[in-house]
Amino acid sequence: AQTVTQSQPEMSVQEAETVTLSCTYDTSESDYYLFWYKQPPSRQMILVIRQEAYKQQNATENRFSVNFQKAAKSFSLKISDSQLGDAAMYFCAYRSADFGNEKLTFGTGTRLTIIP
Amino acid sequence: ETGVTQTPRHLVMGMTNKKSLKCEQHLGHNAMYWYKQSAKKPLELMFVYSLEERVENNSVPSRFSPECPNSSHLFLHLHTLQPEDSALYLCASSQGGGTWGVDEQFFGPGTRLTVL
Repeated sequence: AQTVTQSQPEMSVQEAETVTLSCTYDTSESDYYLFWYKQPPSRQMILVIRQEAYKQQNATENRFSVNFQKAAKSFSLKISDSQLGDAAMYFCAYRSADFGNEKLTFGTGTRLTIIP
Repeated sequence: ETGVTQTPRHLVMGMTNKKSLKCEQHLGHNAMYWYKQSAKKPLELMFVYSLEERVENNSVPSRFSPECPNSSHLFLHLHTLQPEDSALYLCASSQGGGTWGVDEQFFGPGTRLTVL
């Protein structure tokens, strides 16, 4: 079974600075997808960024980028120019690429605080 | 209404009550999910429905009973719950149905359940 580990329960960063959230996972599969979800306080969880394991290039979405290290099974999220609206719980998630397997496995989350 | 909606947003119930959580998706998706979110624990997948058929039951106690009458609606019927069942219950949907490729899940805002 796959597992996802987020070793940082809480992180804080000064506004406009850069922060990196870590995520490691364990799997025996060679093809899979990785996601970062954001859950602001009392608001809906939304997808921040995703990475297909077969792609070597790291995914980027505006101020959000990932450092995907397949051999090390590491998938960290970098947030540049942090903004107050980035304050949220961030969850790393794994999904198999098996056809018809829609199950997501989540980590325990990292609570990110933005310091004005 | 757009996206994934859930009602009620908050629910307080006694251990002998029977209640139901409702989820509706307006995205034309084929797969729907129930998750349980407890503090300091990973999101726990409870049930998956694909094309209105239950494809996964993640060893959930029988006091939780899902129902998927059509591809847009998902219910979670609750009866004789325990205080440890208090949590945020999240519904999600995705294109599913064995869609090839990355299959993003869209989440609802959740129902905050308190069992007294």
